[in-house]
Amino acid sequence: DAGVIQSPRHEVTEMGQEVTLRCKPISGHDYLFWYRQTMMRGLELLIYFNNNVPIDDSGMPEDRFSAKMPNASFSTLKIQPSEPRDSAVYFCASSYTGNTEAFFGQGTRLTVV
Amino acid sequence: AQSVTQLGSHVSVSEGALVLLRCNYSSSVPPYLFWYVQYPNQGLQLLLKYTTGATLVKGINGFEAEFKKSETSFHLTKPSAHMSDAAEYFCAVSLGGADGLTFGKGTHLIIQP
Repeated sequence: DAGVIQSPRHEVTEMGQEVTLRCKPISGHDYLFWYRQTMMRGLELLIYFNNNVPIDDSGMPEDRFSAKMPNASFSTLKIQPSEPRDSAVYFCASSYTGNTEAFFGQGTRLTVV
Repeated sequence: AQSVTQLGSHVSVSEGALVLLRCNYSSSVPPYLFWYVQYPNQGLQLLLKYTTGATLVKGINGFEAEFKKSETSFHLTKPSAHMSDAAEYFCAVSLGGADGLTFGKGTHLIIQP
């Protein structure tokens, strides 16, 4: 398996623009997580899905952030409008029921200027 | 709610010396504990995990960790450091299942030649 695949790897956008980050989990995994990593706050869980249904979105910082999982093989994290303080590395991870380990993608480095 | 404290944001050791990275956790129920490693511009890779059973857990690359309930600790060790061990190390806790991991702030391990 190719592992968790995230795109793009790097994104530079201007403040106020919409940004969409994409994730393809490992086939057969029924849990999907979105994390954000910053120097100040470390790794934070933003939201996670089980069987494509959002279970806990309490980590989503603002209404500007939204996440969807239309099917078992694809998820998006959208920021609209983006702000400089959203600059961070965003990781997607997946796991499966009965396993405790989360498998991480390579991350998307977002820079908002 | 669970939390993780990693003592020391930076740890420097000489090549061949003992590596000790400290992690203390707080959890209302018996936790599942993890150590992940992150190399520059990469995602997180699982080093080892404790779920149940033997409290001394062996992982990849010669690392091991011991779960000490009385001390609420899960310190990571390696008898002899190698240059390739230079990376960021994260301790994480979960309540079991796949409810998302809570990460510590990370420890940057520096290996001196």
